[in-house]
Amino acid sequence: NAGVTQTPKFRVLKTGQSMTLLCAQDMNHEYMYWYRQDPGMGLRLIHYSVGEGTTAKGEVPDGYNVSRLKKQNFLLGLESAAPSQTSVYFCASSLPPPGKGTEAFFGQGTRLTVV
Amino acid sequence: EDKVVQSPLSLVVHEGDTVTLNCSYEVTNFRSLLWYKQEKKAPTFLFMLTSSGIEKKSGRLSSILDKKELFSILNITATQTGDSAIYLCAVGMSGAGGTSYGKLTFGQGTILTVHP
Repeated sequence: NAGVTQTPKFRVLKTGQSMTLLCAQDMNHEYMYWYRQDPGMGLRLIHYSVGEGTTAKGEVPDGYNVSRLKKQNFLLGLESAAPSQTSVYFCASSLPPPGKGTEAFFGQGTRLTVV
Repeated sequence: EDKVVQSPLSLVVHEGDTVTLNCSYEVTNFRSLLWYKQEKKAPTFLFMLTSSGIEKKSGRLSSILDKKELFSILNITATQTGDSAIYLCAVGMSGAGGTSYGKLTFGQGTILTVHP
């Protein structure tokens, strides 16, 4: 049982380049989340999704886009990477929403460096 | 704006000490509060709290929620060096159709360092 899988695990981008981070979960979860974590900081919510075909903005959505075309996948896109987007990105999923007996499960993270 | 605030931001103790970590929140349509421990990589789940006054316990760790005063505490007794980690608090929101439906917001985390 793979759980939540993020790809890639590491990436170095040049300023202005674009890329997509993939999050895949095999637990049939409805809710999926993208967070970023900076040194010594907690997790800041970028975007989230409460079901296939739906997305919503979190606290720090600027510079990112997301799509949830399939229930098991949640993609995070950077159209024009900036050094301020250097961070560790975590994907998480949950079913049902937190509070009905299950917690959010996390992927192992993607370390992104923008130079 | 939904807000989750943890304190202290960092804490250094010696093995055997007892620590109390705090998490306060101001959110729309509270559903649950979760505690996570993060060492090198992904956060790992500790507790989920939905009802006031009911203590959750796992070994040396315990946690309780106060929905009237909008906070939770995480206690760790007889700390060990293996407890060194970032402790994260998160609040899940409900409210079908509302702007925060399904949102899961984390605090800044408390960095706990336990010295031998």
